[in-house]
Amino acid sequence: DVKVTQSSRYLVKRTGEKVFLECVQDMDHENMFWYRQDPGLGLRLIYFSYDVKMKEKGDIPEGYSVSREKKERFSLILESASTNQTSMYLCASSEIGGKTPYEQYFGPGTRLTVT
Amino acid sequence: AQSVAQPEDQVKVAEGNPLTVKCTYSVSGNPYLFWYVQYPNRGLQFLLKYITGDNLVKGSYGFEAEFNKSQTSFHLKKPSALVSDSALYFCAVRSPDSNYQLIWGAGTKLIIKP
Repeated sequence: DVKVTQSSRYLVKRTGEKVFLECVQDMDHENMFWYRQDPGLGLRLIYFSYDVKMKEKGDIPEGYSVSREKKERFSLILESASTNQTSMYLCASSEIGGKTPYEQYFGPGTRLTVT
Repeated sequence: AQSVAQPEDQVKVAEGNPLTVKCTYSVSGNPYLFWYVQYPNRGLQFLLKYITGDNLVKGSYGFEAEFNKSQTSFHLKKPSALVSDSALYFCAVRSPDSNYQLIWGAGTKLIIKP
């Protein structure tokens, strides 16, 4: 089974802090994604990566950056956390082609609160 | 514009009754369609998908979905609801502009009453 893990389930940070959210997948997937989930808004894509060191902006990249130095790891960085970044953050991965193309596998999520 | 709509924020069904969670889409080309479920404080889990072939797709936990090209719909169904089916359900479609991205609906909260 594909396993996607996220470094923290719950995180509380102060306004202005730099925040790192880590995601690791163990199925050698090429693609990795960061979403935020807010009530009534569904999933909104922040960034995705289709290869090591490659990244593309999603729908709401402002205030975020990402890093993918190794294939299995995709990090989301909040350069200076703000209260409007309080949300649930979900990481996902998927393969290109193979038996499950486009099917995304999700981590358990990190609920981030910025005070 | 490419989009996915889940017209109901919430669906309430009595246990044992059939349930339907609606999804309609607007994308160019042949759609790849997905349903995911999210239990409280958990990530999303894959339920089923339609790529091609039979319009009726069977998935996990007794769920199925019917692809209707003329109505551009992909409704999720189950013949007999369980209280444990209570969760948030998301419909998604592959973006025709990308080899990677899915376009997501806003989600429907399913409540099964005992």
